[in-house]
Amino acid sequence: EAQVTQNPRYLITVTGKKLTVTCSQNMNHEYMSWYRQDPGLGLRQIYYSMNVEVTDKGDVPEGYKVSRKEKRNFPLILESPSPNQTSLYFCASSPETSRPYEQYFGPGTRLTVT
Amino acid sequence: QKEVEQNSGPLSVPEGAIASLNCTYSDRGSQSFFWYRQYSGKSPELIMFIYSNGDKEDGRFTAQLNKASQYVSLLIRDSQPSDSATYLCAVNRVGFQKLVFGTGTRLLVSP
Repeated sequence: EAQVTQNPRYLITVTGKKLTVTCSQNMNHEYMSWYRQDPGLGLRQIYYSMNVEVTDKGDVPEGYKVSRKEKRNFPLILESPSPNQTSLYFCASSPETSRPYEQYFGPGTRLTVT
Repeated sequence: QKEVEQNSGPLSVPEGAIASLNCTYSDRGSQSFFWYRQYSGKSPELIMFIYSNGDKEDGRFTAQLNKASQYVSLLIRDSQPSDSATYLCAVNRVGFQKLVFGTGTRLLVSP
């Protein structure tokens, strides 16, 4: 089944404890992206990647890191999480870098930082 | 001014009616327009996209684009309770590798 998977789906952590949210897609998509969704603010892009080893900042990159060492994986790293990073996170992928808009979303990761 | 604006709703319609969802955008360089549906607690799902002025129909859904007025709309005919969800409008600008999303309109279809 073609899909984008994220792990974990739910995470409660404490301020300052490094964490990684994994994202993997099995559709051979070139373009991958991370979003956060907050009430009243909608979906905001954190980082995106056009291909392996090519990443760039989105609208809200502060406090996050990403890497793209393999085409299928695009992990999101929070080196020192803070409470303002409590949010619902979505990974998404798209089949062509020339059309990075037909995006397919993973199931989401709900993160709480206390 | 937000790049993409939507009325948060809720928009309430009876079953069988036409639901009309609207979206305006500020950047005239926007080229591609998308509607995503998001059920509560779930991820967004792409349901329609439109690139050219006019209407595009797909089953019960019709997307309408008016670039001169900078708005895009989604019509849902014969609305069903299963259509109750939040509908997100998204816009892509030429040369920019991202989508900009509105905050969504919540649709409630009552039996």
